[in-house]
Amino acid sequence: LAKTTQPISMDSYEGQEVNITCSHNNIATNDYITWYQQFPSQGPRFIIQGYKTKVTNEVASLFIPADRKSSTLSLPRVSLSDTAVYYCLVVRMDSSYKLIFGSGTRLLVRP
Amino acid sequence: DAGVIQSPRHEVTEMGQEVTLRCKPISGHDYLFWYRQTMMRGLELLIYFNNNVPIDDSGMPEDRFSAKMPNASFSTLKIQPSEPRDSAVYFCASSPTGGLLLGYTFGSGTRLTVV
Repeated sequence: LAKTTQPISMDSYEGQEVNITCSHNNIATNDYITWYQQFPSQGPRFIIQGYKTKVTNEVASLFIPADRKSSTLSLPRVSLSDTAVYYCLVVRMDSSYKLIFGSGTRLLVRP
Repeated sequence: DAGVIQSPRHEVTEMGQEVTLRCKPISGHDYLFWYRQTMMRGLELLIYFNNNVPIDDSGMPEDRFSAKMPNASFSTLKIQPSEPRDSAVYFCASSPTGGLLLGYTFGSGTRLTVV
């Protein structure tokens, strides 16, 4: 599986847009990019997934350039409750059916 | 839908004791996963089941750990004997077929402390 690299931590303020970039240089053709969010004392929660271009849902947007070697999770107008760890995962559509988590990005939203 | 239910939420036990963690997956989900999370090692996949059958247990740290899924609505992770280095948060997750794209649903975890 392609190794992912993302910042260890980020700080932001309420109301700002936050962009977390993840690099996955060795992504393969049948790999998808998936992001999970983990609040303190809770399990991770799936937030968005994409293959290429842009995907948007009620929580976030995911931007994937044409070469797919990186992706950017965008959180619009963050609030204090968006303080969490965000994990970028490369998911391969094969028989192994495993999600392997990296270290994630710890986002702290300040008042 | 009550989500993935884990019990207990917290467990404190003495070294050498047997510990059993329990998980009830979401009804209709045919995949079940056990993860362990520590500050040092992050989230590690221990084992996963498909239709109650263990598929990959390569993440189980050693023979002291065992997991079972006797039916579609219940799974256990047992540690015998427990050691202080087993202290961690243990998460259970479930997903339907296609969950790699649809997302796994995680429980709230069991925080295990071995003293």
